[in-house]
Amino acid sequence: EAGVVQSPRYKIIEKKQPVAFWCNPISGHNTLYWYLQNLGQGPELLIRYENEEAVDDSQLPKDRFSAERLKGVDSTLKIQPAELGDSAVYLCASSSSGTAGRAFFGQGTRLTVV
Amino acid sequence: DQQVKQNSPSLSVQEGRISILNCDYTNSMFDYFLWYKKYPAEGPTFLISISSIKDKNEDGRFTVFLNKSAKHLSLHIVPSQPGDSAVYFCAASPNTGNQFYFGTGTSLTVIP
Repeated sequence: EAGVVQSPRYKIIEKKQPVAFWCNPISGHNTLYWYLQNLGQGPELLIRYENEEAVDDSQLPKDRFSAERLKGVDSTLKIQPAELGDSAVYLCASSSSGTAGRAFFGQGTRLTVV
Repeated sequence: DQQVKQNSPSLSVQEGRISILNCDYTNSMFDYFLWYKKYPAEGPTFLISISSIKDKNEDGRFTVFLNKSAKHLSLHIVPSQPGDSAVYFCAASPNTGNQFYFGTGTSLTVIP
């Protein structure tokens, strides 16, 4: 079974530029999460989808961040414009009612804003 | 406000000995707890979980203990192996898992 796939693995951009991350969850997983992980910290939830509906986006900085999950499968997370403080690892995870509360994580995208 | 805390950033243990990783939480609504293991340049992978109706769950070399009154859980690894060297994250959820709150992680080094 394929795991959660994220791309790109690494991204370096200049500040004020836009950037987008893509996530393909495990087939059949209706719940999709985007997490932010700063160096030395644990993952922090940015947004959670149940199918195509964003059910928790309270931690998403909506002035510059946006996300979508069309058709309830793949998802993209966008930052526009990027700031130096956005440098971090962006993790996507998925789960379903059949995974007993476990979330399965992708390898993450390491963003560096210069 | 950090609802899940791992107060030990790092831990070193000799191979074959026991590793004990600790986690504290503040939200009494949490009733499902998980441990994830993370290697460098990889995403976290699920290790073991425990529901609040239990105080112990065991899976091979890994055992998680939950003390609800103290809002404390711990992960025991016996015996520790060099391949266990990784960062371990504790996570908690107010239900069987749609919202996870993570601790800051403990970096375990198992010395051969």
